[in-house]
Amino acid sequence: SQTIHQWPATLVQPVGSPLSLECTVEGTSNPNLYWYRQAAGRGLQLLFYSVGIGQISSEVPQNLSASRPQDRQFILSSKKLLLSDSGFYLCAWSPGPLHEQYFGPGTRLTVT
Amino acid sequence: QKEVEQNSGPLSVPEGAIASLNCTYSDRGSQSFFWYRQYSGKSPELIMFIYSNGDKEDGRFTAQLNKASQYVSLLIRDSQPSDSATYLCAGYSSASKIIFGSGTRLSIRP
Repeated sequence: SQTIHQWPATLVQPVGSPLSLECTVEGTSNPNLYWYRQAAGRGLQLLFYSVGIGQISSEVPQNLSASRPQDRQFILSSKKLLLSDSGFYLCAWSPGPLHEQYFGPGTRLTVT
Repeated sequence: QKEVEQNSGPLSVPEGAIASLNCTYSDRGSQSFFWYRQYSGKSPELIMFIYSNGDKEDGRFTAQLNKASQYVSLLIRDSQPSDSATYLCAGYSSASKIIFGSGTRLSIRP
């Protein structure tokens, strides 16, 4: 069966510091991968998605970036965090386009 | 702007009753609809998906899709306190982008 991991689970970072969040998927190959952010009490905002290694599409222009160095690894990064970057970051995978998405446990980021 | 809309709630339902959650979408070309359950502080969990018009049943859950009227619904029979959560509706637009509703908060009262 497939499993999706995210780490860290929680993170408190000062404004202006860098960020690296990691997501890995087990038990499948060539998944579509997604990064979402959910602000407190709000809906899901799609940040990035990837259909293959090195292929990243950005949905929202901001100070975040994503990379997919391996088939089942997806990384979300920032060089300098803003207060507005606080939120619940979720990684998801799907078997292909138009298919259901499965979410990881999430990383709760607080920028202070 | 393609949208998926849900009533934010809270929707309060007595234990043992049927909870009915509704969702409408604006993109007539949308296909592949999903219902997720999200407990407070946790990530969304897929509970149902539906691709064709009509009903799809899985245990206590029934998803209904009406493409002519552009709505999707989720029925939860024999509601339990453990069903108290926020339910997210999502669908793929005609541009193959998934769009999530903002969620409906469901509360099952004993």
